[in-house]
Amino acid sequence: KNQVEQSPQSLIILEGKNCTLQCNYTVSPFSNLRWYKQDTGRGPVSLTIMTFSENTKSNGRYTATLDADTKQSSLHITASQLSDSASYICVVRVQMDSNYQLIWGAGTKLIIKP
Amino acid sequence: NAGVTQTPKFQVLKTGQSMTLQCAQDMNHEYMSWYRQDPGMGLRLIHYSVGAGITDQGEVPNGYNVSRSTTEDFPLRLLSAAPSQTSVYFCASSRGLAGGRETQYFGPGTRLLVL
Repeated sequence: KNQVEQSPQSLIILEGKNCTLQCNYTVSPFSNLRWYKQDTGRGPVSLTIMTFSENTKSNGRYTATLDADTKQSSLHITASQLSDSASYICVVRVQMDSNYQLIWGAGTKLIIKP
Repeated sequence: NAGVTQTPKFQVLKTGQSMTLQCAQDMNHEYMSWYRQDPGMGLRLIHYSVGAGITDQGEVPNGYNVSRSTTEDFPLRLLSAAPSQTSVYFCASSRGLAGGRETQYFGPGTRLLVL
């Protein structure tokens, strides 16, 4: 069964600290993986997208990594800011014949405390 | 550009009532989708459209109808609301197939409570 699991479910860190969020997937065949940021009461906003051949992708203080062999991805946030408080969602695209399916993780809720 | 807009922001319905959730985008995107988001779960695709006049079902289409008469608008209709449809509904659009290299843009969501 195609699944995307994220950990931890929630995380609280102090402003200025770094953190890493995890995404494990069991999908096949893999097409790409995207990380979204979702502020409370808003729609998701894309942070990064990675294909099979990309190991690392950065977007400012956000760095995503992908290990296609172990089917794991991580999102590292450097020098966290209060505005980083949000849910972070991992989404994996599965190619299915001429169609595709997006498998969404349930997200990690990150709270940054001053 | 307003991006993707959704109305209403909040709605309370009684079981059995019908309503239409509105979605519009001003980016001339061909692809539009409707998702629902429930606590502790990932987003689930309800219906999607690859262009005006073309729609298809997603993972959880039962109880919902869509139509796409223009590129800009993609309304979602609840035929006979049920408590299980209590959720947050997101509309999204993209220039290319959602999930490909093209970025998917999401609206702010509609929070629906069915009593």
